[in-house]
Amino acid sequence: GAVVSQHPSRVICKSGTSVKIECRSLDFQATTMFWYRQFPKQSLMLMATSNEGSKATYEQGVEKDKFLINHASLTLSTLTVTSAHPEDSSFYICSARDMTGDHQPQHFGDGTRLSIL
Amino acid sequence: GQNIDQPTEMTATEGAIVQINCTYQTSGFNGLFWYQQHAGEAPTFLSYNVLDGLEEKGRFSSFLSRSKGYSYLLLKELQMKDSASYLCAVKDSNYQLIWGAGTKLIIKP
Repeated sequence: GAVVSQHPSRVICKSGTSVKIECRSLDFQATTMFWYRQFPKQSLMLMATSNEGSKATYEQGVEKDKFLINHASLTLSTLTVTSAHPEDSSFYICSARDMTGDHQPQHFGDGTRLSIL
Repeated sequence: GQNIDQPTEMTATEGAIVQINCTYQTSGFNGLFWYQQHAGEAPTFLSYNVLDGLEEKGRFSSFLSRSKGYSYLLLKELQMKDSASYLCAVKDSNYQLIWGAGTKLIIKP
């Protein structure tokens, strides 16, 4: 149980392109999903917390207009990197927590490796 | 501020036992998690401690002392596939997960 599906797994595109990443909880409902970014050999960095039916909460230094988050249902959150540039190249990982309780662990998707040329 | 400390890197031998320590100072405490992350992959959940004591799950065990702000992950009968980063994360009073930087574990034959 507790499977999180993230798609696509890898994206290579030109500078200026907008990229959409989907995160789905397959066998549980998640009122809260999390978006992380991880650069090589560095720790996870929380970008934003996505709340179903309301606006996402962004961490300090993360541009909300550049990283658009939509959490339209209890099983789906999307992250759109708008007008991506080479410095946005990174490993983006989503996670979701079962809505049944705050003690539940976060379960991670497989991540999306984004490469902007 | 909130802080989680773990060693940056550890080396152990196949078949041996290794203990990865984690100390934390957070605003409140609502549980501690250990995750495993292989290079280039997303983290996978290993264990959860909210009460003091030892939680055993196969070859992996996790210990918590809330009074000391301390946890460890114990890996027994080490296998080459255990080479990975191990992340300690604490849920604070706002139920926000605070992540450690991770411990890279290198297993040698």
